[in-house]
Amino acid sequence: AQSVAQPEDQVNVAEGNPLTVKCTYSVSGNPYLFWYVQYPNRGLQFLLKYITGDNLVKGSYGFEAEFNKSQTSFHLKKPSALVSDSALYFCAVYGQNFVFGPGTRLSVLP
Amino acid sequence: GAVVSQHPSRVICKSGTSVKIECRSLDFQATTMFWYRQFPKKSLMLMATSNEGSKATYEQGVEKDKFLINHASLTLSTLTVTSAHPEDSSFYICSAEAQGRTEAFFGQGTRLTVV
Repeated sequence: AQSVAQPEDQVNVAEGNPLTVKCTYSVSGNPYLFWYVQYPNRGLQFLLKYITGDNLVKGSYGFEAEFNKSQTSFHLKKPSALVSDSALYFCAVYGQNFVFGPGTRLSVLP
Repeated sequence: GAVVSQHPSRVICKSGTSVKIECRSLDFQATTMFWYRQFPKKSLMLMATSNEGSKATYEQGVEKDKFLINHASLTLSTLTVTSAHPEDSSFYICSAEAQGRTEAFFGQGTRLTVV
């Protein structure tokens, strides 16, 4: 069975500092991994995905994620956080359908 | 490209009435559409998977007679909440997949409030 864990409900970071939002997964076979962002009262927006290739994936808005097969992790990162990055972030794994993690609320403080 | 339009974005209805939510893929053919429900401060819960021209597959615990899903064409799926009750109030999101792609595209979501 597929599962996704996001161990942190909330992440606070000061503007300009690097941010990391953690994600670990469990899936049989090769994982298809995704990060989505949700702003208040809006649907999900795609950030990036990993299917195959380089372990470091670059996505929208300066975000990137590193696929680590041995640790079964796919942490989302950004070198310098912006206040506008404050939102709810979901990690997802795709098999027969999408399975989402519980979400991590990122707050970037000015 | 790959735009999914969901309508309405907000709806308020009286208890006991039915509400229809539409999900359209605007620039691609969606062979599969998914319907999710999001509770406050919680993650998305998959309700059902619909394939064009066939009956939807509902997740365990989701009442198929209450949440009617129709995927009549490759660009349109509808979710009808029948005899809505206040506990049905939630944020409903659809997503659509194009054949051969592994990336889902999401609608804007519909906030349903049943009073």
